[in-house]
Parts: sequence; C-alpha cells; structure tokens
Amino acid sequence: GAVVSQHPSWVICKSGTSVKIECRSLDFQATTMFWYRQFPKQSLMLMATSNEGSKATYEQGVEKDKFLINHASLTLSTLTVTSAHPEDSSFYICSARGPGRYTDTQYFGPGTRLTVL
Amino acid sequence: KQEVTQIPAALSVPEGENLVLNCSFTDSAIYNLQWFRQDPGKGLTSLLLIQSSQREQTSGRLNASLDKSSGRSTLYIAASQPGDSATYLCAVPNFGNEKLTFGTGTRLTIIP
Repeated sequence: GAVVSQHPSWVICKSGTSVKIECRSLDFQATTMFWYRQFPKQSLMLMATSNEGSKATYEQGVEKDKFLINHASLTLSTLTVTSAHPEDSSFYICSARGPGRYTDTQYFGPGTRLTVL
Repeated sequence: KQEVTQIPAALSVPEGENLVLNCSFTDSAIYNLQWFRQDPGKGLTSLLLIQSSQREQTSGRLNASLDKSSGRSTLYIAASQPGDSATYLCAVPNFGNEKLTFGTGTRLTIIP
C-alpha cells in the first residue's frame, strides 16, 4: 500500500512554455501533498505544501505565480511550471500523507525530470 | 530552524564490509526520524522510520539508531553489497510541523 505515482516521468520543453506535472496517490487518500525540487547532487528542497481543497502554502523564495499547485481531490495534486526557463530545469518530486496509518510519514513519488531548452 | 547534516558526503567501501552512515540534527524536538534511499534519477525509497520513543529499528541488514538528546542518528549496513550503492538521506519532521527537513545525503559506493 501507499503508492504515489507521478506523470510524466520526464519532460523536455521549450523556454516560455508551461508544463504540468501530476502526482497521484493510488491506494490511499492524500489529505496533504508536498512538492520538492532537487538539483543535481543536492538534497530535496520543499517548495510547497498543499491540503486538499485549499490553497497551497509556499516556502520562502518560491514564486507561487510561477509554480501553480492545485490539490483538487484527495488523490491528485498538480504542479504547473508556468513560462518555464532553463533555470527551472530540475528533478521534481511529490509526496503524500493521509489519515490513519498513512499519517506517520510521507510517501514519495518517483519524480519528474524537467529539462527546459 | 532545523538543520540536518550527514557525514560523510561520500563513502566508498569494498563489498562485504560493514559501514555506518551518520545524521545529525540541531533541534531535538522531533517525533520521528526516517532514513531513505535514492538511486540516481529516481524517487525516494523509505528504509526505516524510528519514533522518538524508540532507540533503534532494524530491517534485514539495516539498523538505524536514534539519540534525540545528542541530536544524532546512525544507519548501520551489515555485509554491504554492490546493490546497496545509492544516496542515503535522513529526514526529520518537527513537532507541530508536518514538513520534513532532509539531510545533505551520503553517496555510498560499494566496490565489488
């Protein structure tokens, strides 16, 4: 149990375009989802926390107008990178937490590699 | 603000050896600590989760210990294998805060 998927697993786009990444909890209800980014050989940095049905809470320094997060259902959150630029190229990982036995930890997706040309 | 540090940043050992990875954190007000493994270009795999009331957890060849008062945790890997090669991350949430703070990671290479 506690499987989280991400789609796509990798994406290449041109500078100026927008890219949407999906994060789904497959077998539990994710009341909270988290979005991280990871640069090469660095650790994970939290970007934002989202609770189902409410606005996301962004970490300091993360532009909310650039990284749009929607958590419209208990199994799906999306991250949209708007007007992407080469510096947005990174590995984006989501995680999810749920009620009951899914409370103690976050369950991580496999990540999405974004390359902006 | 919680800071989590892992030493060493990289480690190479011959196959078969036992090894220890270290994790230290500055704020001891945690309710658990978790060790993850990350293969290159992949997501995170949870290895062990230690509750604040516990001192250690074991899973197969892995043993993780937690000393809250000193702000330290260790991950012991017995009889290392090439398949153990990966980056190992520790992470802690704070009380009243569901966010995870990740350590800097240790990149482990097991030499066949």
